[in-house]
Parts: sequence; C-alpha cells; structure tokens
Amino acid sequence: SAVISQKPSRDICQRGTSLTIQCQVDSQVTMMFWYRQQPGQSLTLIATANQGSEATYESGFVIDKFPISRPNLTFSTLTVSNMSPEDSSIYLCSVNSPRAGFTEAFFGQGTRLTVV
Amino acid sequence: GEDVEQSLFLSVREGDSSVINCTYTDSSSTYLYWYKQEPGAGLQLLTYIFSNMDMKQDQRLTVLLNKKDKHLSLRIADTQTGDSAIYFCAESIGDYKLSFGAGTTVTVRA
Repeated sequence: SAVISQKPSRDICQRGTSLTIQCQVDSQVTMMFWYRQQPGQSLTLIATANQGSEATYESGFVIDKFPISRPNLTFSTLTVSNMSPEDSSIYLCSVNSPRAGFTEAFFGQGTRLTVV
Repeated sequence: GEDVEQSLFLSVREGDSSVINCTYTDSSSTYLYWYKQEPGAGLQLLTYIFSNMDMKQDQRLTVLLNKKDKHLSLRIADTQTGDSAIYFCAESIGDYKLSFGAGTTVTVRA
C-alpha cells in the first residue's frame, strides 16, 4: 500500500484566516486527490491535483477558496482560504497506488479542521 | 449520474455475520470499494471488486456484486468488537475518482 502522511493532523483556526494542509506520499504518483468530509457526512471530492498542470476542481469548489499546489510527484498542498465555520471538516488526501494497475485508492489519516 | 446509497446503521451481535448493503447508479463503474473508518481515524481500504466479478473473498470479508441490479454487499463473518466502525461503499467514476456513499455505522454488541 502507499504510505500517505498529512500535516497537520488537526487544527483550530480563526475565521477569516487560511490553513495549508500538506500531503506527502512515499512513492511517485501522477494524480493526487483531495476530499472533504463534513461532520457526520460522507466524502466529497474537492479536486484532482496533477503534477505540472492546474488542479481540476469538482462542481461547487473553486480555486480561489481551495488553491492547490503540486510541485512534484510525491507532494501536494491544499489551502483552505478565508475560512468560515462551514469549512470545519476533515480534509483527506488520496492517491492510487501503482500496484495492481492503480486500482487501489489509499487515503491519508486526514486533517481535522475546526474553524471558530 | 453518480449516486451511492447505503443504509445508515447496523447493529450486530458479536460472533454473528454482518451484511452491509450498497446500491450505485453509474453502470460504467469499473471498480467498487469498501472502506472502514474508525472513530478519529482516516479511511482504511478493506477490499474492492472489479465490475466483471460476482464475488470476492478475503479472509472474513466477502463482497458480492450484482451488476444487473447495481447492488454491492459486504459480509463480515464472525463479527468482532473491533469491527465497530463506519463502512463506506464507493464507486469509481472515471479518472480514478471515487463517489462515496453516506456510510453505514456498524455497532457490535456483546
């Protein structure tokens, strides 16, 4: 399996500020994905981060609010900008392991964000 | 469209079998997944099945897929207290992206 490390694991932030979440993978992967899990809810895909190109955002998510960087094949960051309490969620990074033809999708342990 | 549905809660006695059901709508899904999320933890990939398969068994886990009805199930044999968690069903929706169900909270009682 792919080993995915996310930082920070949790944070409490003031509204109006921004938080950058880091995702580090132990192997090179082409695509990395960022998901959001709101309290008591399922996971929703925010965007796909490809190395060397702009991230692709899903409906309802925009680059100004969730800028993403992907400087190399093992690292990505997601920034939650101008936060409000509605942004309180768990944010998860995911990659597809090249083992078994990229069919296995693994997740980091998540970043639990609380906005006050 | 992409819509995955699961029942929200399941209570099972320790030692019994658990069966968690899921329906999906995207007939072009190539893979279907089951994830486990324990309190305060991330998602753990339990198992997955290719859409041209009917069944996959992995130790205590059995996945059944009825592609005609777009129905997926996860059976956990000899359920233990450590199996108490939220179980998510997910379907692949192209470009390696996943669409998740709401999750089934499984409670194992002694």
